[in-house]
Amino acid sequence: DAGVTQSPTHLIKTRGQQVTLRCSPKSGHDTVSWYQQALGQGPQFIFQYYEEEERQRGNFPDRFSGHQFPNYSSELNVNALLLGDSALYLCASSRDRLYNSPLHFGNGTRLTVT
Amino acid sequence: AQKVTQAQTEISVVEKEDVTLDCVYETRDTTYYLFWYKQPPSGELVFLIRRNSFDEQNEISGRYSWNFQKSTSSFNFTITASQVVDSAVYFCALSEADSGYSTLTFGKGTMLLVSP
Repeated sequence: DAGVTQSPTHLIKTRGQQVTLRCSPKSGHDTVSWYQQALGQGPQFIFQYYEEEERQRGNFPDRFSGHQFPNYSSELNVNALLLGDSALYLCASSRDRLYNSPLHFGNGTRLTVT
Repeated sequence: AQKVTQAQTEISVVEKEDVTLDCVYETRDTTYYLFWYKQPPSGELVFLIRRNSFDEQNEISGRYSWNFQKSTSSFNFTITASQVVDSAVYFCALSEADSGYSTLTFGKGTMLLVSP
């Protein structure tokens, strides 16, 4: 049973560019959340997708956008990259939207902005 | 607003020592869940435990145990007889009923280094 898979593993971009990160949820899960983890910090919630719609959003600018596909996979897009966007981006999936549903995380995508 | 504080940035122990990781949380909600996750060098966050705000029973799972005390807003995690494989960053996290959608607020994490 495959867990949460993310691609790519690592990515290097230049300031001002745009990036797309991808996530496939664990089998049986329909809800996908994205988190940003800066070096030495805990993960911070970006947004959550369910039924192909953004259901909740953390304190991130509109440069961060996403999408969920009918097969529940998801993409995170970041436009006009800043040096401060360098971080580990974690995707998490869960079986439902309930607040007590344990999240299953992927290995993350390490984004470096130069 | 919710907040999770892990005051210990880094802890170093020798194998077989017991170690306790502290977690203090703040929330205005009466219904909430607390979590512990482990993050090994590979980066994946591994779920360890979930505890709801109405269940203050301590829990033991093998060498792991958790102490939840609402009176002090703490949810501490103890590893008994630590092993080198326990070396990782450990995160405490909180989700509130008001959030409604399974969003977690994480602490900054505690890095545990277990040496042979």
